[in-house]
Amino acid sequence: GDSVTQMEGPVTLSEEAFLTINCTYTATGYPSLFWYVQYPGEGLQLLLKATKADDKGSNKGFEATYRKETTSFHLEKGSVQVSDSAVYFCALRSQGAQKLVFGQGTRLTINP
Amino acid sequence: DAMVIQNPRYQVTQFGKPVTLSCSQTLNHNVMYWYQQKSSQAPKLLFHYYDKDFNNEADTPDNFQSRRPNTSFCFLDIRSPGLGDAAMYLCATSRRDGNSYNEQFFGPGTRLTVL
Repeated sequence: GDSVTQMEGPVTLSEEAFLTINCTYTATGYPSLFWYVQYPGEGLQLLLKATKADDKGSNKGFEATYRKETTSFHLEKGSVQVSDSAVYFCALRSQGAQKLVFGQGTRLTINP
Repeated sequence: DAMVIQNPRYQVTQFGKPVTLSCSQTLNHNVMYWYQQKSSQAPKLLFHYYDKDFNNEADTPDNFQSRRPNTSFCFLDIRSPGLGDAAMYLCATSRRDGNSYNEQFFGPGTRLTVL
C-alpha cells in the first residue's frame, strides 16, 4: 500500500540555518504530494504541494520538488526562524483517492 | 474568513461516558473527514462523508460513529470512550469535483482527555 517515510526527528537548528527534512514515498502512479505544518496545540495547515513530477511547491520561504525518479519530496528552507518551530508532516494522496497518507512527522525546534 | 471550526477545543470525559465532538465549516465543501491523532503520531483517518455518503475506514473501531445532518456540520460520536481514545481529533474538509479531490483544510482540533 501507499506509504510515506520522513526523516526522524527531533531536529534542532539555530536561527538562520539551512533546513532539509527528507521525505520519500511509495505509491503507484502519480500521487499528489503535500507538506503540512502543525504548530503547538493547533491543527494542520497546508504548507505547500505538488501534483506532478518536477513540480516545485513553495510557500513562506519553504520549497519542495516532486522527484519521481527518487520518489522524494524533501522540504527545504534557506534560513529558518524561531517561528518555524513546529511539527512538519509529509503526505501523499494517490490519483483519484480522497485519503491522505501521512508520514510520522518531524518535530523542528529553532533556537535563537 | 471561510474556515473549519471545531468545538470544543478541549473535552474531558469519563471512561465509558459517551461524548460528541462537533465540526462546522463555512467553505461549502462537500467532503468532511475525521482524523484521530495520538501524541507524537501522524493523523489517522477514521471516516469521511462525501455529501451524505458515509465512508468508514476498515480499521476504525465500532466505538466511533459519525453524523452529518447537513453540508455545514459533522459530528464524531464516541459511544464508550476508553483510555486509549485520548487523542487530538481533527476535522477536515475538501471539495470533490467528479473524481478529483482538492486540498484538505483542517480545523484546529479537539483534544480529548479520558479520565
